[in-house]
Amino acid sequence: AQSVTQPDIHITVSEGASLELRCNYSYGATPYLFWYVQSPGQGLQLLLKYFSGDTLVQGIKGFEAEFKRSQSSFNLRKPSVHWSDAAEYFCAVGALDAGNMLTFGGGTRLMVKP
Amino acid sequence: GAGVSQSPSNKVTEKGKDVELRCDPISGHTALYWYRQSLGQGLEFLIYFQGNSAPDKSGLPSDRFSAERTGGSVSTLTIQRTQQEDSAVYLCASSFRGGNHEQYFGPGTRLTVT
Repeated sequence: AQSVTQPDIHITVSEGASLELRCNYSYGATPYLFWYVQSPGQGLQLLLKYFSGDTLVQGIKGFEAEFKRSQSSFNLRKPSVHWSDAAEYFCAVGALDAGNMLTFGGGTRLMVKP
Repeated sequence: GAGVSQSPSNKVTEKGKDVELRCDPISGHTALYWYRQSLGQGLEFLIYFQGNSAPDKSGLPSDRFSAERTGGSVSTLTIQRTQQEDSAVYLCASSFRGGNHEQYFGPGTRLTVT
């Protein structure tokens, strides 16, 4: 069975600083990987996804993520954080061989200091 | 176009009552998923519908939970004899088809069992 670990429950960064959110996954085959963001009281919005090909993927709102098979990681990065990026971020792996239902990590809550 | 919609947005019910939660997927999306988001368990998969195939119910936590999808579109998640541990946000998502297509999430229904 697949699993996803997000080691950091909370992260605080200053506005304008760079950001990296960690994600490690366990999956028996080539994974489909996703990052979602959830603002308070809102549903999940897809930031970016990795299916195959280039291991560095670009997403919305200036986010990118790099798939590293050797490390079973899919870390999310942003070079300069904006106050509006404060939210909860979820990494997920899709079980392609079983309808692509998603297994989520526990989430990382990002706080941005002015 | 319209996104995934869910109703009601909030539901408060007494322990032991039955509740029905509704999901309207994006038009043309053949795959529909239900997830539950709770403080103790994070985001977890409940059930998956793909077209006219039998649903994948592997994530349903007990036989008090059931779901149906009528006409390949609207879905209803029913929880019978609600318990306090059922309190959570229930999220619905849809995609064009199950595999390698991103899931679009609705805003969720917050269920509180008193």
